[in-house]
Amino acid sequence: DIQMTQTTSSLSASLGDRVTISCRASQDISNYLNWYQQKPDGTVKLLIYYTSRLHSGVPSRFSGSGSGTDYSLTISNLEQEDIATYFCQQGNTLPPTFGAGTKLELK
Amino acid sequence: QVQLQQSGPELVKPGASVRISCKASGYTFTSYYIHWVKQRPGQGLEWIGWIYPGNVNTKYNEKFKGKATLTADKSSSTAYMQLSSLTSEDSAVYFCARSGGNYGAMDYWGQGTSVTVSS
Repeated sequence: DIQMTQTTSSLSASLGDRVTISCRASQDISNYLNWYQQKPDGTVKLLIYYTSRLHSGVPSRFSGSGSGTDYSLTISNLEQEDIATYFCQQGNTLPPTFGAGTKLELK
Repeated sequence: QVQLQQSGPELVKPGASVRISCKASGYTFTSYYIHWVKQRPGQGLEWIGWIYPGNVNTKYNEKFKGKATLTADKSSSTAYMQLSSLTSEDSAVYFCARSGGNYGAMDYWGQGTSVTVSS
């Protein structure tokens, strides 16, 4: 199975900050990288698919980039509602696998 | 709007089985995959498998073969997951999620169902 690594398990930031969350795959996943947000109440939402494509209804302050094995999610202007845990997931090879998550907290 | 409504929390005894449901609405049930994902407390997400209700094809994570069984009822637009021979390791929140098969992305998720295995 492909291993997905999010080296930062938690991150503190202030409202208005630009935040970047990283994710690394154990092998080339050809941009089949998706990002999810899990709120403290457990609700999970897709934010970005195929590295950089914004899912319907997701604010434009979210963006994604990367290639090969290294990917990142950027929140350009942190808002209160963005406080959540963020997971990456590879969709290149079965089984789909997820990173362990990066918990975003307010400083 | 697309919605996936899951059944309520379950408290089950070790060795028993449990069936969780995921009722879909707002889209054509038979045209999208339904995935199931496990999340243990404080842990990440683990993919269990998918079912394609259009032809009831299934695909399982090797780790969950023999543990999970996925089914779907087209008449009620409901997907089910049965977990058998439950142990404390199966205590978790289980999510269903939809995908169109593109890019491996799961675009809408249910609210999750908590399963607690305890005597």
